[in-house]
Amino acid sequence: QVQLHQWGAGLLKPSETLSLTCAVYGGSFSGYYWSWIRQPPGKGLEWIGEINHSGSTTYNPSLKSRVIISVDRSKNQMSVKLGSVTAADTALYYCARRGRAHGDPFDYWGQGTLVTVSS
Amino acid sequence: SYELTQPPSVSVSPGQTASITCSGDELGDQYACWYQQKAGQSPVLVIYQNTKRPSGIPERFSGSNSGNTATLTISGTQAMDEADYYCQAWDSSTAVFGGGTKLTVL
Repeated sequence: QVQLHQWGAGLLKPSETLSLTCAVYGGSFSGYYWSWIRQPPGKGLEWIGEINHSGSTTYNPSLKSRVIISVDRSKNQMSVKLGSVTAADTALYYCARRGRAHGDPFDYWGQGTLVTVSS
Repeated sequence: SYELTQPPSVSVSPGQTASITCSGDELGDQYACWYQQKAGQSPVLVIYQNTKRPSGIPERFSGSNSGNTATLTISGTQAMDEADYYCQAWDSSTAVFGGGTKLTVL
């Protein structure tokens, strides 16, 4: 059974850098794409970007200038860094897996990490 | 940028059929999928590739996609189906989600 477990700092000040990590257990890491998705309190889902096992990335154009997603294949982990955070970045952040084919859905999700940006 | 539009809320009586729509430009030309999110939980995939159900998803969940509209249909809706539902598709290499629909079973 595939499980995604994520962690990271939950409280940041404006202008700091958000940093989260997601570990994959019970399944193959290669052959899939790994995404970060966020959800502001009481609002909908927003895709941040994704990475494959070889390190190729694609980012949401609205966040591209501030986001870096990386992968550590030796640990079956991926990470996200979001720079220059503001209160608008306060959200529940999820990691998720999808297949390699274009249009494949997100079939496994992490438990979510609440990140609050406040001075 | 590509947008997917969902009604903010849908209400249904227990045992009846609920339909949730998702509209986007030429959405029918690509795959749409649907996620269920219950309060305090991570989203769960309920429909993918327009019409397919993942293992473990009840048969009462079905989907369609044609023209500019994808539809999630829940037949014989149960109280446990009360949740937020999100459609999702791709705009080139960017994943796009609809704004979500709150399904109330009353």
